[in-house]
Amino acid sequence: ETGVTQSPTHLIKTRGQQVTLRCSSQSGHNTVSWYQQALGQGPQFIFQYYREEENGRGNFPPRFSGLQFPNYSSELNVNALELDDSALYLCASSSDGVGGYTFGSGTRLTVV
Amino acid sequence: QQQVKQSPQSLIVQKGGIPIINCAYENTAFDYFPWYQQFPGKGPALLIAIRPDVSEKKEGRFTISFNKSAKQFSLHIMDSQPGDSATYFCAASMNSNYQLIWGAGTKLIIKP
Repeated sequence: ETGVTQSPTHLIKTRGQQVTLRCSSQSGHNTVSWYQQALGQGPQFIFQYYREEENGRGNFPPRFSGLQFPNYSSELNVNALELDDSALYLCASSSDGVGGYTFGSGTRLTVV
Repeated sequence: QQQVKQSPQSLIVQKGGIPIINCAYENTAFDYFPWYQQFPGKGPALLIAIRPDVSEKKEGRFTISFNKSAKQFSLHIMDSQPGDSATYFCAASMNSNYQLIWGAGTKLIIKP
């Protein structure tokens, strides 16, 4: 059984650019959530996808968008990057949508 | 009302001691309370979780105590080991909303 895989592991982007982060969910999991974790803080919920539909969104602007594919993998897209977007982005998958999430190791995004 | 407040921010305990980390919440609609462990450079890993219908849950060396009337819950680590040194997060979610609300984290150091 494979866990949650995220790519890339590290990324450096320039302010104003766009970025796409990828996540392969754990086998058998149909729900994917994305979180932003700033240094020294707890993760903040961005949004969640269940069977390719967004079914929850946190307090993030529309320039944060996502997709879930038929194989339940997922993408997080961020447009018009800002310096404050620098953080660890975590993907988590679940088979029941409530708790029991398995997290990936994250993508460390640095915006310069 | 969506916040989960976690304390202490950091904790140093001698090997074999029992570190205790506390969390408090306001929203009585929360019905799922997990604890996560995070090592540097890794995503959070689920340690143990509890629902409000029980006051205590044990899994191995980890115990959650839950006080519904006080809206507080805590993590106890029995016979702590240097390998337990990590950042611990409490979280909460509502059954109808899959979003996990996280505490700010506790950096735990177990001294040999």
